[in-house]
Amino acid sequence: QKEVEQNSGPLSVPEGAIASLNCTYSDRGSQSFFWYRQYSGKSPELIMFIYSNGDKEDGRFTAQLNKASQYVSLLIRDSQPSDSATYLCAVSLRGAQKLVFGQGTRLTINP
Amino acid sequence: DGGITQSPKYLFRKEGQNVTLSCEQNLNHDAMYWYRQDPGQGLRLIYYSQIVNDFQKGDIAEGYSVSREKKESFPLTVTSAQKNPTAFYLCASSMDDRGLSFALHFGNGTRLTVT
Repeated sequence: QKEVEQNSGPLSVPEGAIASLNCTYSDRGSQSFFWYRQYSGKSPELIMFIYSNGDKEDGRFTAQLNKASQYVSLLIRDSQPSDSATYLCAVSLRGAQKLVFGQGTRLTINP
Repeated sequence: DGGITQSPKYLFRKEGQNVTLSCEQNLNHDAMYWYRQDPGQGLRLIYYSQIVNDFQKGDIAEGYSVSREKKESFPLTVTSAQKNPTAFYLCASSMDDRGLSFALHFGNGTRLTVT
């Protein structure tokens, strides 16, 4: 079982709709959870992080964490074509000073 | 401006040659990392360093070497022993690698092609 798993997509969402991206992780002791956005040919940029169970909102983005289910998600409201990118989920594992990344979900917002 | 500088952006080498990728940061971060990304894949950790003169192997360290002689610099050497070196290489740094604020800041990457 991979440490961090994402559906590779592609996920296609109409403009203005809500895009929902999901990530599961295997280590119950994982502490911190991050969402990075990566445009084609570019480096990843941090868009959200969450540590505690529940929801965290920042503008059009909401991160949701459920430690009992070992599940973290990212919701993008009012999706725009500029949101089209690959979204990487990353998890800091218990006792490890490093992040482990999922394979990424490619999101396409259709005008 | 504070940030992470990777050079060169594109690098071409012949098989059997060693090549060194540069990474410099002026964010005063203690921890630095090297990741590799293959097409359609996530990031895989090669090496990381939490402090000067110390570094640890990541998940795919074979065929790579690093040094951390200065806080600002963390060069990566891709040796001829690396079987599939063609990839996108990303350097990153982190402000606090022990607490919860463990967010990575990435450089712009070096795209290495070995033929």
